[in-house]
Amino acid sequence: GAVVSQHPSWVICKSGTSVKIECRSLDFQATTMFWYRQFPKQSLMLMATSNEGSKATYEQGVEKDKFLINHASLTLSTLTVTSAHPEDSSFYICSASVGSAPSYEQYFGPGTRLTVT
Amino acid sequence: SQELEQSPQSLIVQEGKNLTINCTSSKTLYGLYWYKQKYGEGLIFLMMLQKGGEEKSHEKITAKLDEKKQQSSLHITASQPSHAGIYLCGADEGGNEKLTFGTGTRLTIIP
Repeated sequence: GAVVSQHPSWVICKSGTSVKIECRSLDFQATTMFWYRQFPKQSLMLMATSNEGSKATYEQGVEKDKFLINHASLTLSTLTVTSAHPEDSSFYICSASVGSAPSYEQYFGPGTRLTVT
Repeated sequence: SQELEQSPQSLIVQEGKNLTINCTSSKTLYGLYWYKQKYGEGLIFLMMLQKGGEEKSHEKITAKLDEKKQQSSLHITASQPSHAGIYLCGADEGGNEKLTFGTGTRLTIIP
């Protein structure tokens, strides 16, 4: 299967600072990547769709000015949590699709655990 | 958006026994994805089902999608400790690659 990596795997930051999380497709090109967040013992919630070369599409209720997404190349998308607060502490996971809709396989990165103190 | 319900929420099974996890949608599914997650880690892709009545198998895991494409089951035969983890089903909203996830089933295997 295709490989998606994330960096860092975990990060601790102080309230008010910004944190950048990288998502890379290692052995394939991804014009579209997805960012999810997962709270403890809960399922994944889609935050936004990252589109290479254009603006990201955010799900309802997700603040686009707080969660900045940049998809600069076909293998890299970044999520920046700006002015982080303790309530932003969560597990952030990205994914990328191989193939095209409606028949595709979607692969996930290992996740980044963010703790805001 | 899709509403996905998984059952059971948790399952404790003795090693060697068979088990089934169900995923039910409120709407017709365009695609149904099964993943396994270990706590604090990413998702491992297991299988994707797209056609009504489709069935796929990989090693000891079999997944089925019913004819109406609203319900899927994941069946593990002769369970092993390596099968322990959280199983998540994900549904495609209208063939646009956005996945809505079920609530997850936590599987524990007792030696």
